[in-house]
Amino acid sequence: GAVVSQHPSWVICKSGTSVKIECRSLDFQATTMFWYRQFPKQSLMLMATSNEGSKATYEQGVEKDKFLINHASLTLSTLTVTSAHPEDSSFYICSARPFRGPSYEQYFGPGTRLTVT
Amino acid sequence: TQLLEQSPQFLSIQEGENLTVYCNSSSVFSSLQWYRQEPGEGPVLLVTVVTGGEVKKLKRLTFQFGDARKDSSLHITAAQPGDTGLYLCAGLNAGGTSYGKLTFGQGTILTVHP
Repeated sequence: GAVVSQHPSWVICKSGTSVKIECRSLDFQATTMFWYRQFPKQSLMLMATSNEGSKATYEQGVEKDKFLINHASLTLSTLTVTSAHPEDSSFYICSARPFRGPSYEQYFGPGTRLTVT
Repeated sequence: TQLLEQSPQFLSIQEGENLTVYCNSSSVFSSLQWYRQEPGEGPVLLVTVVTGGEVKKLKRLTFQFGDARKDSSLHITAAQPGDTGLYLCAGLNAGGTSYGKLTFGQGTILTVHP
């Protein structure tokens, strides 16, 4: 089956620092990856859509200069939270859509817990 | 912006009871998915329904997609403590600027007591 990994699985950083989260499709190529944010006991909120080789498109209200997304290859997308603050603490989840397959097919990563102190 | 209203938000029941979770929208979705998520993990796909009126069964779980592809339901028969978790519906947007994106419902936190 299709597997998506995220690294790290959890990270603690100090306020004002930046942290990078990786999302990899392990056994398939993904032209499109999505980044979500989830607060405790809430649903997933789409932050941005990442397309290989082009700029990410951000959802309304998401600061593109704060959440930098790079989709440099067909198997890797990164999310960098710049100048993190405690309110950025959250569970970040990525998903990847295979290069070939129906449009509804996407696979989720296990998530990354970010805690900003 | 397409919205997906999921209800109930919380459900606490005894083992053996039946339950139904609903997702409703005024928008049409090209397909709809149901996920289950455990704390600290990513969501796991349970089912994808594509055709209006479609019914799919997965052991004790029955999924329906409305005829107009605007709503869906998840029915669990004889719930077990192992069914405890967060259930999420997600509709694939059919067109416009949100084409290809998933819209998630608010989620249902299910607790099944032994």
